[in-house]
Amino acid sequence: GQQVMQIPQYQHVQEGEDFTTYCNSSTTLSNIQWYKQRPGGHPVFLIQLVKSGEVKKQKRLTFQFGEAKKNSSLHITATQTTDVGTYFCAGPTGGGNKLTFGTGTQLKVEL
Amino acid sequence: DAGVIQSPRHEVTEMGQEVTLRCKPISGHNSLFWYRQTMMRGLELLIYFNNNVPIDDSGMPEDRFSAKMPNASFSTLKIQPSEPRDSAVYFCASSLGGDHQETQYFGPGTRLLVL
Repeated sequence: GQQVMQIPQYQHVQEGEDFTTYCNSSTTLSNIQWYKQRPGGHPVFLIQLVKSGEVKKQKRLTFQFGEAKKNSSLHITATQTTDVGTYFCAGPTGGGNKLTFGTGTQLKVEL
Repeated sequence: DAGVIQSPRHEVTEMGQEVTLRCKPISGHNSLFWYRQTMMRGLELLIYFNNNVPIDDSGMPEDRFSAKMPNASFSTLKIQPSEPRDSAVYFCASSLGGDHQETQYFGPGTRLLVL
């Protein structure tokens, strides 16, 4: 079945360092979504990318959708402690409205 | 809008007991999803409904799990009998449905501990 993998699984950074997580799908996606889950919280939608090669920015966060629409990345510039959490990518699969979530990247930011 | 509402927020029960988790999706959303999250297995889709109809229950672990959606504003996930390995956080999520409308809005989750 459809698989969505993310790397790395864990990332520890010092505050102020940059962070990137990569998402790879086994099949082409019509769109890719990113979610953030704070420790003890629930996944919260961040953004959706639809077009091949699309790049979107939210303050210090930059999201990119690959040309082949099978991969995506999230880059955070100058991390802050508020960035702590697990970042998931997700893509629609199997028809209907189902999303397949990636394995997630857990980010820890140390002072 | 109140968002997706789940109850209870925490549940501690003993092995063999019946557990019922409840979810109220966002008004107007046509799709509802039940997920289970554990450290070992991550975020797993258990079942989802479109317009109150179960579409895909392939993620339901076994017959001890059942889910219903009697109307557009309410769904339940039942575990009977519960086992310690069912301990996890169970999330309900809803979405509008339709092309490029798959964005899901998650409830706060139910943290289940089966002793």
